[in-house]
Amino acid sequence: GENVEQHPSTLSVQEGDSAVIKCTYSDSASNYFPWYKQELGKRPQLIIDIRSNVGEKKDQRIAVTLNKTAKHFSLHITETQPEDSAVYFCAASGGKLIFGTGTRLQVFP
Amino acid sequence: DTEVTQTPKHLVMGMTNKKSLKCEQHMGHRAMYWYKQKAKKPPELMFVYSYEKLSINESVPSRFSPECPNSSLLNLHLHALQPEDSALYLCASSQISQGGDTQYFGPGTRLTVL
Repeated sequence: GENVEQHPSTLSVQEGDSAVIKCTYSDSASNYFPWYKQELGKRPQLIIDIRSNVGEKKDQRIAVTLNKTAKHFSLHITETQPEDSAVYFCAASGGKLIFGTGTRLQVFP
Repeated sequence: DTEVTQTPKHLVMGMTNKKSLKCEQHMGHRAMYWYKQKAKKPPELMFVYSYEKLSINESVPSRFSPECPNSSLLNLHLHALQPEDSALYLCASSQISQGGDTQYFGPGTRLTVL
């Protein structure tokens, strides 16, 4: 069945450093790739998304890249801040939204 | 209004109780979803409604019964739940139920089954 793998499961960085989270999907029909941030006890919030006709998208400190041939996409956060600490989920959709297993990001001051 | 709202925020129920979770959106979205999320896990799709009709049921036990009274409201009726059903129940909505549509999540209902 459809599957999204996400790595790493935990990531600790110093404030100001960059963080990279990588995902691989299995369904070649997937054409939409959102990233959600979920703080403890809160709802998943969309932070950025990319569609299959685009290779890269940037929004301030956040960027996402997509390699459709290799079926992988990545989230890049630059100049990390303590408030970036949360669980990040990638997802892929060709109909249903399939989530990755999540990455717990901790940014230390 | 760009929010999905859910009530109640917290719910504690016994295994013989009947309760309902409610979800509302006023963004004009025509697809609505129920997800179940256990601690430290991603959201897991339960049901999808498209134009007020059930379009996806992910083999969810019959003790969970969804209802979509109109395009803005989504309910999840609960009956004879088990302790392992304790989780965060998230509602989401999107413009249409095809791939490529952003889903917006509500704050969730944290359910505890005793």
